[in-house]
Amino acid sequence: ETGVTQSPTHLIKTRGQQVTLRCSSQSGHNTVSWYQQALGQGPQFIFQYYREEENGRGNFPPRFSGLQFPNYSSELNVNALELDDSALYLCASSLEAFPLHFGNGTRLTVT
Amino acid sequence: SQQGEEDPQALSIQEGENATMNCSYKTSINNLQWYRQNSGRGLVHLILIRSNEREKHSGRLRVTLDTSKKSSSLLITASRAADTASYFCATDGAKSGGYNKLIFGAGTRLAVHP
Repeated sequence: ETGVTQSPTHLIKTRGQQVTLRCSSQSGHNTVSWYQQALGQGPQFIFQYYREEENGRGNFPPRFSGLQFPNYSSELNVNALELDDSALYLCASSLEAFPLHFGNGTRLTVT
Repeated sequence: SQQGEEDPQALSIQEGENATMNCSYKTSINNLQWYRQNSGRGLVHLILIRSNEREKHSGRLRVTLDTSKKSSSLLITASRAADTASYFCATDGAKSGGYNKLIFGAGTRLAVHP
């Protein structure tokens, strides 16, 4: 059984650019959610996908968007990057509601 | 905004001692969970306690929940250097709209010294 894997592990982008982060869910899991974790803070919920549909969203602007594919892998896209978007982005998958199984995250730095 | 607040923000103890972390939250919940995060890595689920439970044990972990005070505590007994990590409480929010949104606190950074 493979766990949740995220790519890339680190990324540096310039303000105004666009970025795509990827996540492979744990085998058998059909739900994926994304969290943003700023330095020294707890993770904040961005959105969740269930069977390829977004079924919940946190307080993030529309420039944060996502996709879930038929194999339940997922992407997080962020357009028009801002300096405050610098954070650790965590993907989590689950079969039932909880617990969530997290990947090791993508560290995004926006300069 | 974050619902929960952990207390203390940081805790430093010696191996073999017990570590107690507290969490307070604001709204009604279905369940409360504790997660652990090693430096710069993903979170690992430790334990889930439902709103109708008062205490739960898992190995060296003991979690209590007081819904009247909207608070929870995590006790790690006989701590080890490998327990060094950040610990987060997370609530689901009883009105989360049917999806698995977790609301995390800012965490307690635990350092266990050999």
